[in-house]
Amino acid sequence: NAGVTQTPKFRVLKTGQSMTLLCAQDMNHEYMYWYRQDPGMGLRLIHYSVGEGTTAKGEVPDGYNVSRLKKQNFLLGLESAAPSQTSVYFCASMWTGRQSNEQFFGPGTRLTVL
Amino acid sequence: KNQVEQSPQSLIILEGKNCTLQCNYTVSPFSNLRWYKQDTGRGPVSLTIMTFSENTKSNGRYTATLDADTKQSSLHITASQLSDSASYICVVITLGGYSTLTFGKGTMLLVSP
Repeated sequence: NAGVTQTPKFRVLKTGQSMTLLCAQDMNHEYMYWYRQDPGMGLRLIHYSVGEGTTAKGEVPDGYNVSRLKKQNFLLGLESAAPSQTSVYFCASMWTGRQSNEQFFGPGTRLTVL
Repeated sequence: KNQVEQSPQSLIILEGKNCTLQCNYTVSPFSNLRWYKQDTGRGPVSLTIMTFSENTKSNGRYTATLDADTKQSSLHITASQLSDSASYICVVITLGGYSTLTFGKGTMLLVSP
């Protein structure tokens, strides 16, 4: 199993450009998450999904949109990138919503917005 | 507001030495607590999970403790190795489950030869 994979690994955007980050998992997990990690701050939840076709806002959702059209994929979109969105983005998945379940993280996407 | 505070922010130790990382939380209602290890340029990986009723749990050279009364947890690393150099993140999960994880900022550990 590949686990959780993210595409791309690195990306540089100009202000105002758009892009989509792809997260894929092959563990048949129901729950998927998008986080951002900034220096000196803990991981912050952007959006999450509890199943195919469902999404919900997390702690810092502004400027981002998501879609979960297939169970194994969770897409994060930036419609008009801003320098404040420069960050490392992590996707995670979890089998169910039980508190004892572990989140499995992808390797991250490093995004720079100029 | 739910918060997780970790100390120290960073730590340098010599290879072979032991160290202890601290985590204090104000998350409520508490469900469980996880320690994650994050290598540079990688995603976090779970080391151990502590539930309300557990005081101590070991995973190889890693030993986690939990005091639910004082809302404190620690991660003790024994006989450190160069590969232990990483960020260690404390995560507290509330009874709300899937959307209610509170992450600490992490402790950056450097093991020096």
